[in-house]
Amino acid sequence: VQLVESGGGLVQPGGSLRLSCLASGFSFSKYSLSWVRQAPGQRPQYVAGIITNTSRTLYAESVKGRFTISRDNAKNTLYLQMNSLTTEDTAVYYCALSDFWGQGTLVAVSP
Amino acid sequence: EILMTQSPATLSVSPGETVTLSCRASQTIRNNVAWYQQKPGQAPRLVIHGASTRATGIPARFRGSGSGTEFTLTISSLQSDDFAVYYCQQYNKWTYTFGQGTRLDIK
Repeated sequence: VQLVESGGGLVQPGGSLRLSCLASGFSFSKYSLSWVRQAPGQRPQYVAGIITNTSRTLYAESVKGRFTISRDNAKNTLYLQMNSLTTEDTAVYYCALSDFWGQGTLVAVSP
Repeated sequence: EILMTQSPATLSVSPGETVTLSCRASQTIRNNVAWYQQKPGQAPRLVIHGASTRATGIPARFRGSGSGTEFTLTISSLQSDDFAVYYCQQYNKWTYTFGQGTRLDIK
């Protein structure tokens, strides 16, 4: 199993980024997936999830209306569109299965 | 939101010893608890799920227990590779939450 995140970087407050997570080693379309973030020195925090059978999406209150999770089963890729970013969104963002996480991509929001 | 509270914040122990980490949920979550191990610069790694089931590749020295609101992770015969931060996580609800972590330091 591999989950490889990309798309992180430095962005100004109010800006946008789209994160991608390329999956391999398992039947991607059959699994629910999540994004989890971790700010420096802090506990992990659930960001968003997409449930496989229903394509239902779930969001943490802190990102509702700003972030959108989606998936492309043909490309084995999970996405996180992040808009209206603030400094509070600075963190390493992990793509996560129920029992395995990728190595993460760093998002830094700074003036 | 379900709050997860871990104790203690830090444990200083010697290799070979046994330690018990605690985690309390703010409401009952049945056995929907996982424990993660995190080393500096690495992603969290699943250690225990379902409160007591070891994840793939995790040695029998790691034992999880509890249900409802009180959970523990016991690590026996500590090895140098075990020193890390451990987080408990509830997944009773889809938007899961984590405890603040317990750091295991080498004494």
